Amino acid sequence: GDSVTQMEGPVTLSEEAFLTINCTYTATGYPSLFWYVQYPGEGLQLLLKATKADDKGSNKGFEATYRKETTSFHLEKGSVQVSDSAVYFCALSAYSGAGSYQLTFGKGTKLSVIP
Amino acid sequence: ETGVTQTPRHLVMGMTNKKSLKCEQHLGHNAMYWYKQSAKKPLELMFVYNFKEQTENNSVPSRFSPECPNSSHLFLHLHTLQPEDSALYLCASSQAPGRGHSTDTQYFGPGTRLTVL
Repeated sequence: GDSVTQMEGPVTLSEEAFLTINCTYTATGYPSLFWYVQYPGEGLQLLLKATKADDKGSNKGFEATYRKETTSFHLEKGSVQVSDSAVYFCALSAYSGAGSYQLTFGKGTKLSVIP
Repeated sequence: ETGVTQTPRHLVMGMTNKKSLKCEQHLGHNAMYWYKQSAKKPLELMFVYNFKEQTENNSVPSRFSPECPNSSHLFLHLHTLQPEDSALYLCASSQAPGRGHSTDTQYFGPGTRLTVL
C-alpha cells in the first residue's frame, strides 16, 4: 500500500536558520503530494501541494519539489521564524476507487524555532 | 463563516455517555471525512462520505457512528467510548472527482479534543 516516511523530530532551530524536513513516499500511480502544518491546539492547514513530477509547491516562504526519480518531496525554508513552530505533515493523495481521494500521512515532524 | 468548522472544540465525557461531534463545511464540497489523531500515531482515516454516501469505513468500532444528512454537514455520534478513544477528531472536506476542479485537496477543521474518563 501507499506510505509516507518523514524525518523524525523534534527539530530545533534558531531563528533565521535554514530548514529542511525530508519526506519520501511509496505509491502506485501518480499521487499528488502535500505538506500540511498544525499549529498548537489547531487542526491541519494546507501549506503547499504539487500534483505532478517536477512541480514546485510554495507558500509563506516554504517550498517543496515533487521528485519522481527519488520519490521525495522535501520541505525547505530559507529563514525560519519563531511563528513557524508547529508540526509539519507530509502526505500523498491517491484515488481510492470508491469515488474519493484518500490521504496517507507521515507521522509528522515537530519544529521548534528559538529566538 | 468560511472553511470547515467543528463543534464542540473540547469535550469531556464518561464511558456511558452519548455525545455527538458536528462538522460543517462552507466550501461547496461534496466529500467529507473523519480522522482520529492520537498522540504519537499517524492520522487515522475513520470514515469517508461522498455525495452523502458512506464510501469508506476503516474498521472503526461500532461505538463510533457517522451521519451525513447533506453535503455540508457531518456528524460523529459517540456511545460507550473507552479511555483509549481520547484523541483529537478532525473533519475534512474536498471536492469529489469528476467536477473538473482540484479534487484531491482536503481542507481540515480545527478539530474536537475528546477526553473519555
